[in-house]
Amino acid sequence: AQKVTQAQTEISVVEKEDVTLDCVYETRDTTYYLFWYKQPPSGELVFLIRRNSFDEQNEISGRYSWNFQKSTSSFNFTITASQVVDSAVYFCALSERGGSSGSARQLTFGSGTQLTVLP
Amino acid sequence: NAGVTQTPKFRVLKTGQSMTLLCAQDMNHEYMYWYRQDPGMGLRLIHYSVGEGTTAKGEVPDGYNVSRLKKQNFLLGLESAAPSQTSVYFCASSYLGRSAFFGQGTRLTVV
Repeated sequence: AQKVTQAQTEISVVEKEDVTLDCVYETRDTTYYLFWYKQPPSGELVFLIRRNSFDEQNEISGRYSWNFQKSTSSFNFTITASQVVDSAVYFCALSERGGSSGSARQLTFGSGTQLTVLP
Repeated sequence: NAGVTQTPKFRVLKTGQSMTLLCAQDMNHEYMYWYRQDPGMGLRLIHYSVGEGTTAKGEVPDGYNVSRLKKQNFLLGLESAAPSQTSVYFCASSYLGRSAFFGQGTRLTVV
């Protein structure tokens, strides 16, 4: 079963529009971590945010905001007033205990959302 | 600060050849991971390690082997490369799974 689902494969918006990227996760672990990464056309993975399962406070960083809701197992990412430089693939990831190493944490990624911001 | 360094950055192999990808981290992290990234499939975990001398299989381990002889290094080996292993490979290190720092990636083409 897919652990991290990013249902939006591609999104296109016009510059200055707001856009929300969805992430739904599945875990039986009670202590887990959620991440968002950005992968620009240059290919590197840029860390954006980490949230642990005990902290449901929403977070805002400049034009970026994150909405973590345990009740719906979602960790959505909103970009306000999008810019062309926001064009990238965005990945949501889950760190949870399990796998063949028992209590060790595996880091599982969603399939990513390609965001294109048009001028 | 170096962080996570992968070598090489690019490589072209012929089918059947072998090679080793090296990942080195200088953050004293216990956990290290190898992923492959293919179009439309995100990052898929190949193998990971939770400490020196330990390794474990991830989602797509077939055709790969790994070793973690030193805490700071995690090697990914392809014994007999196949075209299906053409991909971009990322290494990551983590402090007990609570963070994840990635290398720049290795673009491997098998012809």
